[in-house]
Order: sequence, then structure tokens, then C-alpha cells
Amino acid sequence: QVQLKESGPGLVQPSRTLSLTCTVSGFSLTSYGVSWVRQPPGKGLEWIAAIWSGGSTDYNSALKSRLSISRDTSKSQVLLKMNSLQTEDTAMYFCARSGGGYDYWGQGVMVTVSS
Amino acid sequence: DVVMTQTPVSLSVAIGQPASISCKSSQSLVGTSGKTYLNWLLQRPGQSPKRLIYLVSKLDSGIPDRFSGSGSETDFTLKISRVEADDLGVYYCLQGTHFPLTFGSGTKLEIK
Repeated sequence: QVQLKESGPGLVQPSRTLSLTCTVSGFSLTSYGVSWVRQPPGKGLEWIAAIWSGGSTDYNSALKSRLSISRDTSKSQVLLKMNSLQTEDTAMYFCARSGGGYDYWGQGVMVTVSS
Repeated sequence: DVVMTQTPVSLSVAIGQPASISCKSSQSLVGTSGKTYLNWLLQRPGQSPKRLIYLVSKLDSGIPDRFSGSGSETDFTLKISRVEADDLGVYYCLQGTHFPLTFGSGTKLEIK
């Protein structure tokens, strides 16, 4: 069955770089795109970035200068890097299968930005 | 960016009663393919979002037909014909036609 699982550090210091991994199973990254979506505590959802089945990428323009999304198809992993972290980046980060229209989501990983 | 205006902010509904949530977009969500990429998601407490409806009105597998979606262009509605206890949570609309993808601000459904 289709599954997505996020992993990454729970705590990151301000100004540092965040690296998150989304490991997928049950489908191929060369057939479906994957997006990252985040949710600050008690707030709504914000789309961050996507990598599509052909390898092309899209970014939220408000965050684009700080983001990089890539993939390792041999490992079925999508990687997100966000630099210059601030406290406002504290959020639950989800990955979702976007090529299928956001039909499957991971459980999320909580990232806290604090010194 | 496309702004998705979702109303009401919260809804308190008795079991067995209907519920309706509105989502209005700041521009048409009809894509170049002619398809309208408007989804409805439910996020239950402590869980990740789950898609209920895609392409305005198509029900996802396993979603009861108490749920229905309708609308066109910029005006969309999610309806629950008879609310059940399991329906509580926050409902979001999501537009996937224009980048960046944007979500409504959410509607919290409580059981009265």
C-alpha cells in the first residue's frame, strides 16, 4: 500500500539548515510527484515545494530563496533542505503524494527552531 | 497567489444534521486542461490531512456518500448530509490549479 514517512531533526538552531527526508513506498517517484506542506502549531497548511515525476521542481515563491527539493529514486526518498531557519519556521512538516492530487500524506515530523 | 476564502471558521452541528462549508477562490480554478483542481481535506485532531474529495466533486475511495462537493470557477461547497461523530476535525479546501498551491484557512467542525 502507499505510504509516506517523514524524518528529520526535531530541534534546529536559528540560522541553521534543516534537512528533511520523505521515504515513500507503494509507488515510484518516477510515476508520481511529492510535495512538502507545513503547519505551524495551531495554524493552517502551507504548501512549500514539489518535485514531479520527471524531476522538475516548483517552490513557494515566498520561501524559494531558502529551499531546495531533490530526490533519490533508488532509495525512494525526497529530500527537502531549508536554510537560514527562523523561529517562524517551527511547524509540523508533511510530505504528500502530489502527482495523485494529494491523495496520500505522511504522518508528519515536528520541527522546532530554537536555540 | 490565489487566495482561498473559507467559511465559516467553525461549525457546531448535532449528530444527524447537515453541514455546509464554502470555499471561494480569488480567481478561476479552471485549468488549461479544462479540469478544476479543487480538493477537500479533513484533518482530525492529532492526525495528518486526509483527502475526501478531488476535482470538485469526486469522492475518494472509502469516503461515505454523506459527503459531497460541488461548485465551479471560483465558488465551491462541501456538504455533509448527516453529520456523524467521526466527522469532527478541521476541513480545508486546496486549489491545485495555480502555483503556489494554496489552502483555505480551515473550518473546524464540532459536534453539538
